[in-house]
This record gives sequence, structure tokens and C-alpha cells, in this order.
Amino acid sequence: GQQVKQSSPSLTVQEGGISILNCDYENDMFDYFAWYKKYPDNSPTLLISVRSNVDKREDGRLTVFLNKSGKHFSLHITASQPEDTAVYLCAAGANQGGSAKLIFGEGTKLTVSS
Amino acid sequence: DMKVTQMPRYLIKRMGENVLLECGQDMSHETMYWYRQDPGLGLQLIYISYDVDSNSEGDIPKGYRVSRKKREHFSLILDSAKTNQTSVYFCASSLSWGGPNTGQLYFGEGSKLTVL
Repeated sequence: GQQVKQSSPSLTVQEGGISILNCDYENDMFDYFAWYKKYPDNSPTLLISVRSNVDKREDGRLTVFLNKSGKHFSLHITASQPEDTAVYLCAAGANQGGSAKLIFGEGTKLTVSS
Repeated sequence: DMKVTQMPRYLIKRMGENVLLECGQDMSHETMYWYRQDPGLGLQLIYISYDVDSNSEGDIPKGYRVSRKKREHFSLILDSAKTNQTSVYFCASSLSWGGPNTGQLYFGEGSKLTVL
């Protein structure tokens, strides 16, 4: 089964609004959580990540919220802009053999309309 | 220059032919990965390599094998390609867990494979 799931395949937000992207996971051994951004025909790039010892991390317009008991984390983008239009992939993982083993969600396509 | 390079970027093969996808990185990262991306499925992990000749199956290894003889180079091999292996393949690399930027993956541009 899908260990990391993004239930919304798409989301449309007005320019200036808040975009909220959600991700659920199954494995309670996961202790690293991240959001990647992907433009069409480009490679995914890391936006922001958190470890399980914090429940919130902010970086500019981006905030990650982690709810470990609910096995859920989210990405909030404030003051959304047309250039935020992209596919957002959540990822969760843990240390395996001294390396990060990351499992990705299906992706949510965010469209910011002007 | 912190780059992951994949070759070829585009490839068309017939069913039953062998496929070699190559990936290189210039960051001396210990760990390298192969993922495939399909619509509605996100990125699925095929193989993870912890270092030279230290490889482990991911979630969908069937039909694939890998080779890592040098730290900077990681190959994905499809022996006798099937039509359901048509996909975009991404290679990635990362530092070992516990170091700076733990968990951050650096991705290549992707290799689009079509199997007819």
C-alpha cells in the first residue's frame, strides 16, 4: 500500500491566498519529513524539511506543520504567487543503513491564479 | 558544482531490448537512488545504494538491477525491457544520515524511457 499519501491531486488558490498542502503517512518509524517542488520537465528540488523532534518549521512564506500522533504533515504557503504553480511532493523517511530512505507521495498540482 | 547528471535524457526501445540508464554526481555523496515517476503515483523507489557495491532493493525492484562500481556513478539496467517500464526515471544522491543536510536528495533531470 501507499505509505505516504497526498489525498488531493490538485489545488487551485487565488494569488495572495494561503495554499495548504497535506500529506499522510503510515509508518510511525518515519522521523524525517520534507516537501519538494517540481516544475514540468524539471527535477524535484527540496523546499523545506523537518525532523520529528519539532512540530513546526518556518522559512519565509513556507511553514511545515507536523502532527506525529495523527501521522500527518502539511505545507502552508502564504501570499501565494503565480510562480508557486508547480507539483508539490511530500516525502517521509528514516535512517536505513546510514542513509535516508525517502518515500514520496503522489504529488499535488498547485495552481495559483492571478 | 553540485550536480547530478543523467544520460540519456530520452530513450526509445523495443520490448525485449536491454536498457542502460546512467547517473553521475560530483558531490562525493555516499548514497544514490533510482526512482521512477508515473502519473498519479509520484516517485517510487527502485533501488538505493549506500556506497560502492552496497545496494538495496527499494519498493519496486522487480525487472531492474543496478551497478555501482564508483562512488560518483550509479547505473540502472533493464534486462529485456517491458512496455510497463515506460516511465520517467530519476536518479538522486545524498549525504549519509546524520551529516549536514541530512535527508536532502539532489535529483538529476530525469531520463524519459519509452518501451514500444
